[in-house]
Amino acid sequence: QVQLVQSGAEVKKPGASVLVSCKTSGYNFTTSGISWVRQAPGQGLEWMGWISVYTGNRNYAEQTQGRVTLTTDTSSTTAYMELRSLRSDDTAVYYCARTDYRSGWYYFDFWGQGTLVTVSP
Amino acid sequence: DIVMTQSPDSLAVSLGERATINCKSSQSVFHRSSNKNYLAWYQQKPGQPPKLLIYWASTRESGVPDRFSGSGSGTDFTLTINSLQAEDVAVYYCQQYYSTPFFGQGTKLEIK
Repeated sequence: QVQLVQSGAEVKKPGASVLVSCKTSGYNFTTSGISWVRQAPGQGLEWMGWISVYTGNRNYAEQTQGRVTLTTDTSSTTAYMELRSLRSDDTAVYYCARTDYRSGWYYFDFWGQGTLVTVSP
Repeated sequence: DIVMTQSPDSLAVSLGERATINCKSSQSVFHRSSNKNYLAWYQQKPGQPPKLLIYWASTRESGVPDRFSGSGSGTDFTLTINSLQAEDVAVYYCQQYYSTPFFGQGTKLEIK
């Protein structure tokens, strides 16, 4: 069965960086895309960006562009999201989600369990 | 960005009754070349990730009970839950993927 398993919770200080991993299984990783979506405490869902495992293409949301980098490792079928220069308003649960390889503009059919990133002095 | 606005923000429905959630986009999400509406619905229960219910505005995801249905076209969409069950208590989100993905603010569904 399709599974996306994310790394554990992180606590970071403002200005630091965080790397969240998303280990996938149960499907052909190389012909997929992975999007990242975050959810601040008690808030809604915000799309952050997409990477096509197949083509290497990437799209980033304007809100975090310049601070976020998406990568994949096909040998371990794992996707990564790095967010730099952390601020208090980056405190959120970060989700990876499977999507289409051709475009970041698509729906998300399987999701990771989420990783809580807390930014605190 | 195509902004999504849901209504109501919350609603309470009796068990066995129908729940209706609306979603309006700031621009049409209908793609003429594919003849499809680029609109999805998700269910999120506390402490869980979102779960895909509906895509292409009306296509039910595999395994989703048929009491869930999606309708609408262009800028106005509806998620209908017939014969509400206790396990349907959740927050529901619509999402457009016609352009940069954008979610509605969510609708909290409770039991009356």
